[in-house]
Amino acid sequence: EIVLTQSPVTLSLSPGERATLSCRASESLPSNYLAWYRQKPGHPPRLLIYGASARATGSPDRFSGDGSGADFTLTISRLEPEDFAVYYCQYYGSSVFTFGPGTTVEIK
Amino acid sequence: QVQLQESGPGLVKPSEILSLTCTVSGTSIKSHYWSWIRQTPGKGLEWIGYVDYRGSTTYNPSLESRVTISIDTSKNQFSLNLRSVGAADTAKYYCASSFMSSWHGTFDFWGQGTLVAVSS
Repeated sequence: EIVLTQSPVTLSLSPGERATLSCRASESLPSNYLAWYRQKPGHPPRLLIYGASARATGSPDRFSGDGSGADFTLTISRLEPEDFAVYYCQYYGSSVFTFGPGTTVEIK
Repeated sequence: QVQLQESGPGLVKPSEILSLTCTVSGTSIKSHYWSWIRQTPGKGLEWIGYVDYRGSTTYNPSLESRVTISIDTSKNQFSLNLRSVGAADTAKYYCASSFMSSWHGTFDFWGQGTLVAVSS
């Protein structure tokens, strides 16, 4: 069973700053089915990135994803007010979907 | 625009069955895989299982023994039954969809979620 770990747990930044979030898998992922979601309070998660680096429809271009194997990164180039939220990575493999525990991006 | 709406009781007694329905609009029910996902402060997001328009299902192995997901294409609805519930099943339950034609292993659309508490 693949386990996803996200770091840091909390990231304290100011609007306009760059955010770098990490997602690490317990083993190298056999496929590139790695996605990122943003969840704002009181809302469901929203898909941002799929296939590790492709932006989902409607996802702003300040979001970018990178990585392969067991290490993946989500970068937010300049934080907007709506980006202060929780971010989850998610993997699909062997007919199972797995989520990471999340990283909270908070206003410094 | 794909829209999903969960409905069902907000309170279920221990050992009973948790039943929820998701109503789909804005798309063909034959175009997606339809999932249930739950979220708790302690365990985070947990995928429960999915169904396609033919009624074919795949479940999370950790819940498989207690879960049934079914679909009613005539009503554009799919449903979750979770048996023998306990306090650990208290969660916000979401329905979500994944495109079949452009499969990326992601959840492309989500309902707003419904909170279900298990308590006597």
